Amino acid sequence: GENVEQHPSTLSVQEGDSAVIKCTYSDSASNYFPWYKQELGKGPQLIIDIRSNVGEKKDQRIAVTLNKTAKHFSLHITETQPEDSAVYFCAASSDSWGKLQFGAGTQVVVTP
Amino acid sequence: DAGVIQSPRHEVTEMGQEVTLRCKPISGHNSLFWYRQTMMRGLELLIYFNNNVPIDDSGMPEDRFSAKMPNASFSTLKIQPSEPRDSAVYFCASSLNRGPYNEQFFGPGTRLTVL
Repeated sequence: GENVEQHPSTLSVQEGDSAVIKCTYSDSASNYFPWYKQELGKGPQLIIDIRSNVGEKKDQRIAVTLNKTAKHFSLHITETQPEDSAVYFCAASSDSWGKLQFGAGTQVVVTP
Repeated sequence: DAGVIQSPRHEVTEMGQEVTLRCKPISGHNSLFWYRQTMMRGLELLIYFNNNVPIDDSGMPEDRFSAKMPNASFSTLKIQPSEPRDSAVYFCASSLNRGPYNEQFFGPGTRLTVL
C-alpha cells in the first residue's frame, strides 16, 4: 500500500519568513495530493491540493509543488503569520473512493 | 451547513466498558471515513463507507472495533470492550465522491480516554 513520509516533524520560523514542508510517497499510481491544516482541538482542514497532471499550484501565500518522477511534493508558505501556527499534514491517494494516506504531520510554530 | 457533527466531544470510560461514537456527515455526501489520531501513530484510517456500504475496514485494529452506517446521515464506531490503549482522538470525515479528487471534511473529533 501507499506510504507517505513527511519532514520535518517540527518547524519554527520567524514571522514573515517562509516555511517549507516536504513529503515523499511510494505508490507511483497516486494521483491526488492534498494538504491539511489542523489547529489545536480541531479536525484537519484542507488548505490546498494538487493533482498529478499539475506541477505547481498557488493560492495566495501557500503553494504546492509536485515532482512525479521523484515522487515527492512540497508545501510552501510565504510571509508566515502567527495564525499559520498549526500542524500540517500531507496526504496521497491512488484510490477512486478517495482513501487518503497521511504523513506524520509537521508542527509549525511562527514566532512574532 | 453545520459541517460534520460528532458526539460526544469527550468520553471518559473505564476499561472493559462499551463505547459508542457517533457521526453525522454533511448532507449530500456519500462517503464517510473514521480515523484515529494518536501521538505515536498519527492519523490512521480505520474504515470507510461509500453509499452506506463498508468499502475497506483493513484499518480496524481488532475485533473489538466495529462500525455501522445504517443510513446516509448517521454512522457509529463501537469499541467493546474498551482498553486503555484505545485512548485517542477519533475523527469522522465525509466527502462527496465524484472520482479520485475528493475533499474530505473532518468533524471536530471525539477525545476518548479509557482508564
